[in-house]
Amino acid sequence: EVQLVESGGVVVQPGGSLRLSCAASGFTFDDYAMHWVRQAPGKGLEWVSLISWDGGSTYYADSVKGRFTISRDNSKNSLYLQMNSLRAEDTALYYCAKDISRGYASAIFDYWGQGTLVTVSS
Amino acid sequence: DIQMTQSPSSLSASVGDRVTITCRASQGISNYLAWYQQKPGKVPKLLIYAASTLQSGVPSRFSGSGSGTDFTLTISSLQPEDVATYYCQKYNSAPHTFGQGTKLEIK
Repeated sequence: EVQLVESGGVVVQPGGSLRLSCAASGFTFDDYAMHWVRQAPGKGLEWVSLISWDGGSTYYADSVKGRFTISRDNSKNSLYLQMNSLRAEDTALYYCAKDISRGYASAIFDYWGQGTLVTVSS
Repeated sequence: DIQMTQSPSSLSASVGDRVTITCRASQGISNYLAWYQQKPGKVPKLLIYAASTLQSGVPSRFSGSGSGTDFTLTISSLQPEDVATYYCQKYNSAPHTFGQGTKLEIK
């Protein structure tokens, strides 16, 4: 059974930093691209970032480019999101999502974690 | 960047009704379009990808169509468990933008 478990969400002050983690199990982690998708309270879904199966390619939404860094450790079956220079508008539930396609990033999300809540507030 | 616009933003229908939600891309995206269902308080669930391919385990009352800029999600006979917000998403290239969502309720 595929499981994605996010952690690391807390309350942080504007301008602060945070690192989110996603522990994956139930599938061959290093065969699949992975993504972060966020959802502000009461709002819609926003794709944040993607990383290829080997970590060699990364992409970001314009809203986080230059502030967030996605990474992965295939030896630990883990995905990360380093978030710097946080703003109030980054407040959201952050989901880790698995790509449906093996070996390349299609950006179709077939499994989602339960999410971890990041609140940026003074 | 390509924008994704859904209509309507909210919808109320009766059990057994045929329901259609539309999604329009600001530029052509071929058939690189997915639909997700998010029930209240739950995680999003993939329903359809490649505009019309039903994800495994999704009931056959759900269907998708379209190509280029105009897409539709259809529920052939609305069930009470279909109460949810539905999102379209483009995936031809980054950024992989979602539509703003369509909230579906039972009348």
